[in-house]
Parts: sequence; structure tokens; C-alpha cells
Amino acid sequence: DTGVSQDPRHKITKRGQNVTFRCDPISEHNRLYWYRQTLGQGPEFLTYFQNEAQLEKSRLLSDRFSAERPKGSFSTLEIQRTEQGDSAMYLCASSTITSSYNEQFFGPGTRLTVL
Amino acid sequence: GQSLEQPSEVTAVEGAIVQINCTYQTSGFYGLSWYQQHDGGAPTFLSYNALDGLEETGRFSSFLSRSDSYGYLLLQELQMKDSASYFCAIDRGSTLGRLYFGRGTQLTVWP
Repeated sequence: DTGVSQDPRHKITKRGQNVTFRCDPISEHNRLYWYRQTLGQGPEFLTYFQNEAQLEKSRLLSDRFSAERPKGSFSTLEIQRTEQGDSAMYLCASSTITSSYNEQFFGPGTRLTVL
Repeated sequence: GQSLEQPSEVTAVEGAIVQINCTYQTSGFYGLSWYQQHDGGAPTFLSYNALDGLEETGRFSSFLSRSDSYGYLLLQELQMKDSASYFCAIDRGSTLGRLYFGRGTQLTVWP
């Protein structure tokens, strides 16, 4: 399978704990995005990498959120001191710079529940 | 900033045609994308318009009017499997990367 993969698919944690999610993009894609989606809403942009460089970060991303993409391959999203409001589906997407219309390929998401 | 408006729900019967409208406001615009998302699934790309006019891809077509800041997705010969959420999304240009999604339209197709 050469699609975008995310791990874990589900995460339940207690408030105040740290969590880390992983995304493996399509191998030849140099762009990687993180979005957050809550029930009844569209995906909300969190951050964006081109290769290993983090080029854009949403104001939604508080200091408790950090993302990395070492070596321009997989990416991790860490949430520190989780809050109940962090409960959401975290989606990763990738695309290639050569695409003429920025088609983004989404992974299955990591559903986070903060108790 | 950016804002998009689309109807929250649409219902139709199998075999019918349905149009999902999207109006937007944005400070920069390169194109309008459409994505489909089934319950519990990932969004998948359907269509894209950078220029005014109609783009046809099988049973799905998408239209854009840049002067009216308006687009729509047209689904023909509806099938039960088309029941899903449909999102329009603003693309502000490939160098900027991010997509700005609307809140989505839940389409229910009845037999």
C-alpha cells in the first residue's frame, strides 16, 4: 500500500498527559500537512512541511503543540499537557510540489479522546 | 481571512442530480477544490477549478465563477455510495500549501 499512513488510529489519554502521533506520507511527496477535524466541521489546518522545513503554522497551534519532520520523511505531532478540547481527529495529508492543483492525499487519521 | 459557506445537508434519491453550492471570501485565491469524506473515512480529492467554467470527471462536475466567488459540485446519476460529506476548499496557491475547508455538506441518497 503506498497511501498515507498514520499511527495510532485511536488514542485515549487522560488530561495532562502528552501524546505523539506519527504520519508516513506517500514516499515521493515532499509536502506534508497536519489538520484537525471535529465532528461536523471541515479539516482545520495546523501546520505544513516542505521536505524537512516547517513553512507554516496555524495560530490554532498553541505552544503545547509541536511537529517535526526529520529528514523530510515521516512526521510526528506531539501534544503536551493534553486538554479535553484537544479531542478531535488529527489528519495528515501529503502532496507533491509538481502537482498542478495541490491535490492532497489524506491518511485515515488518529482519533484522540482526552478524558 | 477566509470563509466558505455551503449547505449543511442535502438529500436526494438514487438516480437524481444534486448540486452543492459553495460561496467563499478570501484575500488570496488560486483555485477551489472539492473533497468527499465518508463517515469514519479520510477526505478524498474529487475535483479542482482554477479557471471559470465547468470541469467534468465522470458523474461529478465542478463549476467556478471567480467574479462571483462561487462554485458548485454537481453529482449526477446518484448512487447510495455517494452518501457522504462534501467539502469545498480554497487553495491560495501551491507555494502556500494549506487548504481552507468549508464546514461540509452532508449528502444523503435514498433508494
